[in-house]
Amino acid sequence: EVQLVESGGGLVQPGRSLRLSCAASGFPFDDYALHWVRQAPGKGLEWVSGISWNSNTLDYSDSVKGRFTISRDNAKKSLYLEMNTLSAEDTALYYCAKEMGSNYLGWFDSWGQGTLVVVSS
Amino acid sequence: SALTQPASVSGSPGQSITISCTGTSSDIGDYDFVSWYQHRPGKAPKLIIYAVSNRPSGVSNRFSGSKSGNTASLTISGLQADDEADYYCTSYRGLRVIFGGGTQVTVL
Repeated sequence: EVQLVESGGGLVQPGRSLRLSCAASGFPFDDYALHWVRQAPGKGLEWVSGISWNSNTLDYSDSVKGRFTISRDNAKKSLYLEMNTLSAEDTALYYCAKEMGSNYLGWFDSWGQGTLVVVSS
Repeated sequence: SALTQPASVSGSPGQSITISCTGTSSDIGDYDFVSWYQHRPGKAPKLIIYAVSNRPSGVSNRFSGSKSGNTASLTISGLQADDEADYYCTSYRGLRVIFGGGTQVTVL
């Protein structure tokens, strides 16, 4: 069974940093692209970032580009999101999502339960 | 910018409803990579359609997808109370994934 477990969320002050992690199990981790998707309170889903199986292809939404960094460690079966210069607009539930294949096309066939990030002073 | 979906759609049990998702020639119009998700409150989103019209294993055949030009559509036939949820479309847009704003489906 595919399992994605996010961690690292919490309350953080504006301008500070936070690192999210996603621990994966139940599938050959290094065969699949992975993504971060978030949902702000009362808002819709928003794609944040994606990374291919070998980390050669990755990208970010305009709202986080230059502030967030996605990475993965295939040996540890883990996905990460380093978030810098956080603002209130980054407050959201952050989901880790698995792509159906090795390249990312936006077909997320498994999701974690999310980790909540609250940016507030 | 996000793909455009109606904010809400409703229907009676047994009816069919269709949710539209309008993009541009740079996303929906350029790639057959549209997917749809069902999202219930407090739950993780669930993939119900990928590659415009394909259903993952285990997804009811009451869900179907299509695309014409820059607009994709999700049809739910034989509407059931359990279908009440938010539905989101996505499209690939040159190394990025774009979500629609979401559509709340209400079963009357």
